[in-house]
Formats: sequence, C-alpha cells, structure tokens
Amino acid sequence: DTAVSQTPKYLVTQMGNDKSIKCEQNLGHDTMYWYKQDSKKFLKIMFSYNNKELIINETVPNRFSPKSPDKAHLNLHINSLELGDSAVYFCASSQDIAGVAEAFFGQGTRLTVV
Amino acid sequence: RKEVEQDPGPFNVPEGATVAFNCTYSNSASQSFFWYRQDCRKEPKLLMSVYSSGNEDGRFTAQLNRASQYISLLIRDSKLSDSATYLCVVNESYNKLIFGAGTRLAVHP
Repeated sequence: DTAVSQTPKYLVTQMGNDKSIKCEQNLGHDTMYWYKQDSKKFLKIMFSYNNKELIINETVPNRFSPKSPDKAHLNLHINSLELGDSAVYFCASSQDIAGVAEAFFGQGTRLTVV
Repeated sequence: RKEVEQDPGPFNVPEGATVAFNCTYSNSASQSFFWYRQDCRKEPKLLMSVYSSGNEDGRFTAQLNRASQYISLLIRDSKLSDSATYLCVVNESYNKLIFGAGTRLAVHP
C-alpha cells in the first residue's frame, strides 16, 4: 500500500503545453511538498503546503501552480512548458513531531519537454 | 553560500572499507537533521536522523556539531549494497527540508 503516490510516472510533452502531476498521501500527514530534481541531481524545494495552506513558495515561476484540495492531495499544474522544465518532480509528505519531520517521497514524475 | 553543502564525491571504495561523509549548513536556526539515501532513478529515503549526542544504527554512525554547523555520516564495513547517493538534509524551519547536492558512493568488490 503506497504511502505517497504520484501520477504519472513518466510525462513527455511538447513545449508550450500545459500539464498536471497528481500526488496523494495516505499517511495522515499535515504537510506536503513538491521538489524538483534537475539533471545535476540537485533536489530543490518548490512548494510546501500545510493543511491545504501554502507555506513555502521558493521563487518558482508562476507558470507552476500547486493546488491542494485537501491535506491528502497536492497537485502541480504547469502552464506553457519550457525545455528547462525537464526534470524529475518529487512529491513528499511529512509530519512535524517535536521539531523532527521525516519526509516520505513519491516515486517521482520524470518530465521531458521536447 | 549554499544552504547545505556536502563533499562532492564520488567516493569509490572497496568492500569492507570505512567511509565518511561531511556536510555543513548555513542556517544556525535549523532544527533537525537527517541523512537520506537515494538509489539511481529512485526516490530519496530516510537513512537516519542525526542528533547532537550522536547516534548509531548498525554500521552507520551520524554526528552533529551545532556550534560548527557540521554533520557527518560514517559507514563501516561497506557493502556493495551501500552504493547510492547520500543526501544531507536540514529542517530549516517548520517543515522546510533543504537537501544538499548529495555525495555519490560506489562500493566495488
């Protein structure tokens, strides 16, 4: 039973298209994230939501819009895709307990923009 | 200065070797610290949390020095299955997890 699941696993699309990635967690966590891992393998935080409220927005272009319909879901919509958006996007969730927050990750969505 | 910096790697070691990874962080208000492991084309997974008193989990020992803002991971008796990228992770503020760029370890027979 997958704890954090994201779909699709692979996404190949043309420049200029709009696409969405979905994420769901069944851990009961309050916080969910989107991370981007580029070709140099660096994992960079994009957004963080706590109980459906946006907490962190790390200077991400406004073509990226997260949506959290409830605390178990955090979707990522990307408008006008660019070549530089090609990367692996990871969804994660965590629960802060006394200042310690282990994050659980989804399997990643490998986005290729052509 | 990057928020979390790690040894660049890669580390190529024979089976049975002891290997140490270092990490420094810039935000002195950071609250908690972790080492994650990421296998090729997989998601990161928690290896261990890091506490000021130091902690050990089998062949793995993690240390934290808050004064120096320094974190380390020691792997003893390396196994082939330890080959992966090791990510130093810092919880800067409420649920803001910042990852280092990772250090790649390759253990060979």
